[in-house]
Amino acid sequence: NAGVTQTPKFRVLKTGQSMTLLCAQDMNHEYMYWYRQDPGMGLRLIHYSVGEGTTAKGEVPDGYNVSRLKKQNFLLGLESAAPSQTSVYFCASSYSLGQGDTEAFFGQGTRLTVV
Amino acid sequence: RKEVEQDPGPFNVPEGATVAFNCTYSNSASQSFFWYRQDCRKEPKLLMSVYSSGNEDGRFTAQLNRASQYISLLIRDSKLSDSATYLCVVNRGSYGGSQGNLIFGKGTKLSVKP
Repeated sequence: NAGVTQTPKFRVLKTGQSMTLLCAQDMNHEYMYWYRQDPGMGLRLIHYSVGEGTTAKGEVPDGYNVSRLKKQNFLLGLESAAPSQTSVYFCASSYSLGQGDTEAFFGQGTRLTVV
Repeated sequence: RKEVEQDPGPFNVPEGATVAFNCTYSNSASQSFFWYRQDCRKEPKLLMSVYSSGNEDGRFTAQLNRASQYISLLIRDSKLSDSATYLCVVNRGSYGGSQGNLIFGKGTKLSVKP
């Protein structure tokens, strides 16, 4: 079972370069999320999506854009990378987080370094 | 005040010890609560959900106090393999809509020593 797959797993960018991180899930989940994790900061929500064609800002959205053109894919874009965006990025997906508790499944992470 | 706060840790305990983690959340509208485990350089994985009545899974017991907005995780008879970072997670939103998302605490690192 693939679950949640992130590509790439590692990347080094120069300041000002752009890139797109791809997240794909095969569990037919409605909700998808992008988090970044930095030492001492925990996981912080960048953007999320509650369904195909919808996106919303999380806690730290500046410098990032996202798209959810297909239900199974959630793309995170960095238009002009900055050293402050050096981090580990995690994608996650879940069924609707409505009344019931629902497990969120995570990808293996993307380690991004901006030099 | 942070939306989800946890004990800062790290917790260094011997094998067989009992250890408790605490977590508080600030949004009274939060509906679902979880403990996740994250191993070094790995993705977080669900350890257990937390129910109002309290729930147990083997050596792990989770408790929720909605009135105090407090969540706990108790690990009994610690094993070396329990060494990890434990993340308190809260679903802040109401049903559906754009408010539903998961908020993570910073995590508490546990090291179980022989």
